[in-house]
Amino acid sequence: GENVEQHPSTLSVQEGDSAVIKCTYSDSASNYFPWYKQELGKRPQLIIDIRSNVGEKKDQRIAVTLNKTAKHFSLHITETQPEDSAVYFCAATSTNTGGFKTIFGAGTRLFVKA
Amino acid sequence: NAGVTQTPKFQVLKTGQSMTLQCAQDMNHEYMSWYRQDPGMGLRLIHYSVGAGITDQGEVPNGYNVSRSTTEDFPLRLLSAAPSQTSVYFCASITWDGSEAFFGQGTRLTVV
Repeated sequence: GENVEQHPSTLSVQEGDSAVIKCTYSDSASNYFPWYKQELGKRPQLIIDIRSNVGEKKDQRIAVTLNKTAKHFSLHITETQPEDSAVYFCAATSTNTGGFKTIFGAGTRLFVKA
Repeated sequence: NAGVTQTPKFQVLKTGQSMTLQCAQDMNHEYMSWYRQDPGMGLRLIHYSVGAGITDQGEVPNGYNVSRSTTEDFPLRLLSAAPSQTSVYFCASITWDGSEAFFGQGTRLTVV
């Protein structure tokens, strides 16, 4: 079946450094790729997304890139801050005749050390 | 506008017991889904619904039932709880184009 692989599972960076999280997907019909941030004990929340007709999208310190040919997409966080510490999930959404289906990656636990 | 309301927040069950996790949304979304979150396995789709009266299975549907009698409500039923169902459960209500999922607060379920 469809799956989304996410790496690394844990990432530790120094405050001010950059963090990169990578995902690959298997379903060629996937056309939308959101990223969610889950702080400790809280619900996941959408932070950024990218559609299949776009190669890169940026929102302040975070950016996402997509390589449809390779079925890769990545999240980049620059100038990391302690409040960026959380679990990040990538996801791939595909549209079918009945609606759509979203499959999540296993998550990356990011630690930003002050 | 409460968004997605999920109850209960915590629950302990004995093996073999049944229970229902409640989920309600007030955003008039057609699409709702249930996920379970386990360490190292991310959010796995249990069941989803594209509208009232329509449900379908996700990645890990066994041991769970759902129904969608109204647009607002999407309860998840555990028929006979097993320790393997110990997890954190999230209900999500999703915009019409799939662009954003709004999650409930989560239910931490322990089956002993």
